[in-house]
Amino acid sequence: NAGVTQTPKFQVLKTGQSMTLQCAQDMNHNSMYWYRQDPGMGLRLIYYSASEGTTDKGEVPNGYNVSRLNKREFSLRLESAAPSQTSVYFCASSEKGLRVNTIYFGEGSWLTVV
Amino acid sequence: GNSVTQMEGPVTLSEEAFLTINCTYTATGYPSLFWYVQYPGEGLQLLLKATKADDKGSNKGFEATYRKETTSFHLEKGSVQVSDSAVYFCALLSGGSYIPTFGRGTSLIVHP
Repeated sequence: NAGVTQTPKFQVLKTGQSMTLQCAQDMNHNSMYWYRQDPGMGLRLIYYSASEGTTDKGEVPNGYNVSRLNKREFSLRLESAAPSQTSVYFCASSEKGLRVNTIYFGEGSWLTVV
Repeated sequence: GNSVTQMEGPVTLSEEAFLTINCTYTATGYPSLFWYVQYPGEGLQLLLKATKADDKGSNKGFEATYRKETTSFHLEKGSVQVSDSAVYFCALLSGGSYIPTFGRGTSLIVHP
């Protein structure tokens, strides 16, 4: 029962470096999401993908790009990391349907940009 | 648009006290409602959910009832333990939307 798996769990980057957070789900869900969580800010949606082949901006997309590689995988890329992107990142997935919606989260990726 | 409002924390209780964390929502249609729990240093875990009016979700001694008339989904537990100390998030997912809506989270601290 893997659910939503994201890697890496911890990463330290230097300002200006790039990296990609990987996410995969094995529940055959159509929709996937990337959130960031900062103290006092709750969860903020960065990007989402309603279905394979589509991606849309969320609340805080600046500085990020995403790729929905296939139905299982949804990656988040930081092209030029900035200290303001120090955060905890969560990938999630859900299945849109009448009265069967459930959101599942990965365990989180702790990113520090120095 | 959809929104979720949770009571601000932290909520501080003694062990074995009764817990209520309020959650109200606005949404179109008939959303599914969720409570998630986040223990220190960990990700969000689904605690319970309800998918239609008057449904009661329950898990690990926690309960919440989907009240459409008051648009509420309050989380309750009869006797909290120190191990329940965590941040609790109320959320909804509307049948007409792909985007879950979360409350800002309520921190619960339980003292021995």
